[in-house]
Amino acid sequence: QQQVKQSPQSLIVQKGGISIINCAYENTAFDYFPWYQQFPGKGPALLIAIRPDVSEKKEGRFTISFNKSAKQFSLHIMDSQPGDSATYFCAALKRDDKIIFGKGTRLHILP
Amino acid sequence: DAGVIQSPRHEVTEMGQEVTLRCKPISGHNSLFWYRQTMMRGLELLIYFNNNVPIDDSGMPEDRFSAKMPNASFSTLKIQPSEPRDSAVYFCASSSGGTGTYEQYFGPGTRLTVT
Repeated sequence: QQQVKQSPQSLIVQKGGISIINCAYENTAFDYFPWYQQFPGKGPALLIAIRPDVSEKKEGRFTISFNKSAKQFSLHIMDSQPGDSATYFCAALKRDDKIIFGKGTRLHILP
Repeated sequence: DAGVIQSPRHEVTEMGQEVTLRCKPISGHNSLFWYRQTMMRGLELLIYFNNNVPIDDSGMPEDRFSAKMPNASFSTLKIQPSEPRDSAVYFCASSSGGTGTYEQYFGPGTRLTVT
C-alpha cells in the first residue's frame, strides 16, 4: 500500500514532442505528489508538485495531471527538448512521514 | 547557500573494509535523509533524522550499516564490513520543518564501489 508504481521505465521522444510519464498509488492518505528530476551525476531535484485537491498544475512546459478517483497522476512535458533528457521520479507522501519514490523513468529526447 | 555537501564524491574500496560517507546538510534544515540508489532497486530511503534524532531506520539493510548525526551540521553513514553488493550511489538530503515538509534538497551523492 506504500508503493508508487511508475511507468514506463524508459522513454524516447523526438524533440518537440510530448513526453508522458504515469504513476499510480494505493494509499489514499498521501496528500502531496512531487516529481523529481535527476541529471546524470547529480542528485534528484524537485521539479513540480501537486496536492490531491487540484486536478492539474502547470509550470512552463511541465504539467501534472491528477486523477484522485483513479489514484493516478502523470507528468506531461510539452515541446520536449534535449535538455529535458534525465531520469524522472514521481513520489507521494503524507504529512510527517517519509517520501515514497517511484522507480524512475529514463527520458531521452532525440535532437 | 552551498547546498547539501557530501564527501567523498567517489570511493573505491575492497570487500571487508570500513567505509564512512559524510554529509553536511543545508544550514537551518532540521531533517536529514540518507538514500541509496541502484539501477535494480531505484531510490531507497535508508534512515532519516529529525533534530539530530534518528526517526526511522527501517530501510537500513543490515547491522553492517550505521548512521549518526552528532550535531545539526554533520552526519555520517558507515558500512562495516563492506561487501560488493553495497556498491551504489549514496545520497544525503535535507529539509526544513520536519518530515512533513515536502521538499527535500539532495546532495551530489557518493559513488561507492566495493571490489
